[in-house]
Amino acid sequence: SQKIEQNSEALNIQEGKTATLTCNYTNYSPAYLQWYRQDPGRGPVFLLLIRENEKEKRKERLKVTFDTTLKQSLFHITASQPADSATYLCAPLEGGTSYGKLTFGQGTILTVHP
Amino acid sequence: GAVVSQHPSRVICKSGTSVKIECRSLDFQATTMFWYRQFPKKSLMLMATSNEGSKATYEQGVEKDKFLINHASLTLSTLTVTSAHPEDSSFYICSALWGGGSYNEQFFGPGTRLTVL
Repeated sequence: SQKIEQNSEALNIQEGKTATLTCNYTNYSPAYLQWYRQDPGRGPVFLLLIRENEKEKRKERLKVTFDTTLKQSLFHITASQPADSATYLCAPLEGGTSYGKLTFGQGTILTVHP
Repeated sequence: GAVVSQHPSRVICKSGTSVKIECRSLDFQATTMFWYRQFPKKSLMLMATSNEGSKATYEQGVEKDKFLINHASLTLSTLTVTSAHPEDSSFYICSALWGGGSYNEQFFGPGTRLTVL
């Protein structure tokens, strides 16, 4: 069956350090992989999308890598700030008839300490 | 970015009553919307895909007679939880698919907290 695993339920780091979150998937052939941020009691907010033919994507302090051989995506936040504290969700997205249907990983709760 | 709203944001009801939740795309038209539910400290679980003008497609294990979905216009989808019971208490989130870019981006509403007493 299809499975999405995000490393550690919780990640605690010091302000200024780089946070690295991992998303591993099995029995998927995603055409895209998305990362979302969710704050408590709120809906997810889209952060980045990376396509299967892209190895790396950057947006300001965020960087995403996508290794279809390892079936893994890494999400990095550089120069982390307390305001980055949130739950981060990955969602592989298949093409074809499943287009648009998102299945989320369980999320990683990131806490950035001042 | 595109904005999706949900109403109400919170609702408390008695067991046995029906509750309607609205999902609106405010500045774009969405032929496809999705409904998710989320339990505390858990991830979002897709319940159904709502397509404008046609019947919703439900995920395995989701009762279509329990969770009625209507997508009557390009900017509005509604989820009605019929004869709600305490186990239906959850955080319900909708999203709308926006096809304006090179990729169909999905925008999420702020969620509706349902508590059934």
